[in-house]
Amino acid sequence: EADIYQTPRYLVIGTGKKITLECSQTMGHDKMYWYQQDPGMELHLIHYSYGVNSTEKGDLSSESTVSRIRTEHFPLTLESARPSHTSQYLCASSELDGFSYNEQFFGPGTRLTVL
Amino acid sequence: AQKITQTQPGMFVQEKEAVTLDCTYDTSDQSYGLFWYKQPSSGEMIFLIYQGSYDEQNATEGRYSLNFQKARKSANLVISASQLGDSAMYFCASFMNRDDKIIFGKGTRLHILP
Repeated sequence: EADIYQTPRYLVIGTGKKITLECSQTMGHDKMYWYQQDPGMELHLIHYSYGVNSTEKGDLSSESTVSRIRTEHFPLTLESARPSHTSQYLCASSELDGFSYNEQFFGPGTRLTVL
Repeated sequence: AQKITQTQPGMFVQEKEAVTLDCTYDTSDQSYGLFWYKQPSSGEMIFLIYQGSYDEQNATEGRYSLNFQKARKSANLVISASQLGDSAMYFCASFMNRDDKIIFGKGTRLHILP
């Protein structure tokens, strides 16, 4: 059973506020990811990490930033939220395996609305 | 760049019938993985099934099977004996070892009718 958590599940916030979306996993996975998904649309990779102190930008440009100070924790921060940031943000993790695919476990997501 | 194509934006299927969700992929790599996720209206992503490019047999997981046709670059999901709880969004995705990232298709919204 996947043990990956995201908080908050829902967030409604005003323009200009700084927000941090939390993601934690207890599986000891090295790789972690953030995806952005608009309702009914595909997932877009915005950030990923291979391990502690590793962060990479994904395929979709994002104004958000991430950090990876601990293996289990991969928070995403928006310094100044805007209505265009309204979306669902999904966090995922997987084992680090350079040769073959390992299943990505997803968190429940955070639905962000910026007014 | 790798690309996943799901040509069916939405499908309506009668309960208990089998359903096939289409997925084609575009890659020149020899080593890759393909898989399907289910996303109910609650938003979480549920892993369903995985097929490696070197796997000779089609993957199966309970009522789910993956119809892997390598020459056609297709990886269709087959759900046997559909249930009302199968109503959800379904995403096909690929992982290329060279890119070390997962790319998702646009998804198919499946509606199971009672």
